[in-house]
Amino acid sequence: DLQMTQSPSTLSASVGDRVTISCRASRSIGRWLAWYQQKPGKAPKLLMYKPSSLESGVPSRFSGSGSETEFTLTIDGLQPDDFATYYCQQYNSASSFGQGTKVEIK
Amino acid sequence: EVQLLESGGGLVQPGGSLRLSCATSGFIFDTFGMSWVRQAPGKGLEWVSCISGSGDKTYYADSVKGRFTISRDNSKSTLFLQMTSLRAEDTALYFCAKSRGNFPFDAFDMWGQGTMVTVSS
Repeated sequence: DLQMTQSPSTLSASVGDRVTISCRASRSIGRWLAWYQQKPGKAPKLLMYKPSSLESGVPSRFSGSGSETEFTLTIDGLQPDDFATYYCQQYNSASSFGQGTKVEIK
Repeated sequence: EVQLLESGGGLVQPGGSLRLSCATSGFIFDTFGMSWVRQAPGKGLEWVSCISGSGDKTYYADSVKGRFTISRDNSKSTLFLQMTSLRAEDTALYFCAKSRGNFPFDAFDMWGQGTMVTVSS
């Protein structure tokens, strides 16, 4: 089974901070990776795919990088609306998600 | 405007069955892969199953293989998930999600609001 591991599980940050979330695949997935944002009681929202392509309508403070097994989501200048849980998803071999990273207010 | 609306969730006893539906609009349904993703209360996202745009290719997570069946009616722009032999660990909010492209394995650019399935005696 292809496992996706995110770190950290929880991240405390302040408005304006640069935030980095990591996602590691248990084996190579090429560039078949996406990032989602989810707020309580809401459906996930696609942020990035392949993994540096910004989904339409997503602010440019979000960026993604990586390939093979190591990936990163960066938020440059955290905004109040960005406090949420973030998930990575691989879609190279079927599909699976990381366990999530909660970004909370410091 | 793209819309996905799930229905069919509810309370079911262990070993029981349930059929979920996802009615869609706002896009050419048969040109996109579709998936079901679930989220147990307070937990993360778990991919469940996906289907190609034409419906000829289906894939399942090991946790549901042999118990769940995904299908679609392209004439009605509707996605289904037939769930049998339900277990307590299947309790979750079930989302339907639209792939960015026709290939079933893809990023999901649109999601429904989910339908809750509770398996309990």
